Amino acid sequence: EAQVTQNPRYLITVTGKKLTVTCSQNMNHEYMSWYRQDPGLGLRQIYYSMNVEVTDKGDVPEGYKVSRKEKRNFPLILESPSPNQTSLYFCASSHGRGGELFFGEGSRLTVL
Amino acid sequence: SQQGEEDPQALSIQEGENATMNCSYKTSINNLQWYRQNSGRGLVHLILIRSNEREKHSGRLRVTLDTSKKSSSLLITASRAADTASYFCATDAWGSNYKLTFGKGTLLTVNP
Repeated sequence: EAQVTQNPRYLITVTGKKLTVTCSQNMNHEYMSWYRQDPGLGLRQIYYSMNVEVTDKGDVPEGYKVSRKEKRNFPLILESPSPNQTSLYFCASSHGRGGELFFGEGSRLTVL
Repeated sequence: SQQGEEDPQALSIQEGENATMNCSYKTSINNLQWYRQNSGRGLVHLILIRSNEREKHSGRLRVTLDTSKKSSSLLITASRAADTASYFCATDAWGSNYKLTFGKGTLLTVNP
């Protein structure tokens, strides 16, 4: 089954404790992206990757890092989480530019 | 930056009625897509319309695109309670380098 898998789905952590949200897709997609969703602000892009070892900033990259060492994986790293990073995070992938995005089920992160 | 803006922000109708949601955007696009999100879940792709297309159908969905007005509409005919969800438009802008930008969404409630 074609899918994008994120882990963890739910996480409560404390300020400053490094965490990683993993994302994996099984569709051999070139393009992967991270979004955060906040009430009243919609979905905002954090980082995206056009292929292995090719990443670029989206609209709200501050406080986040990503890597794309393998085509299937695109982890999101919060080196020192802060409360303003409390949000619902989505990973998505697509075959090519502007194509249909396949979304994961989301990771709800709370930073205390 | 927010490219697409949906209107209205919220819409409540009775089962069997049609629902129309609109999306306006600011810059020239390659394509425009509509997505659906059930509460707190991942987004699901509904339909993609390219900049050289004016109308597209998929089941009970009809999407129109007016590039001169930089706007699109999504019509759901004969709505069902199961159509209750948030609907987002997303634009692939010219020169955006693989970036799909989402609006803030329309919350559709279909009352049984």
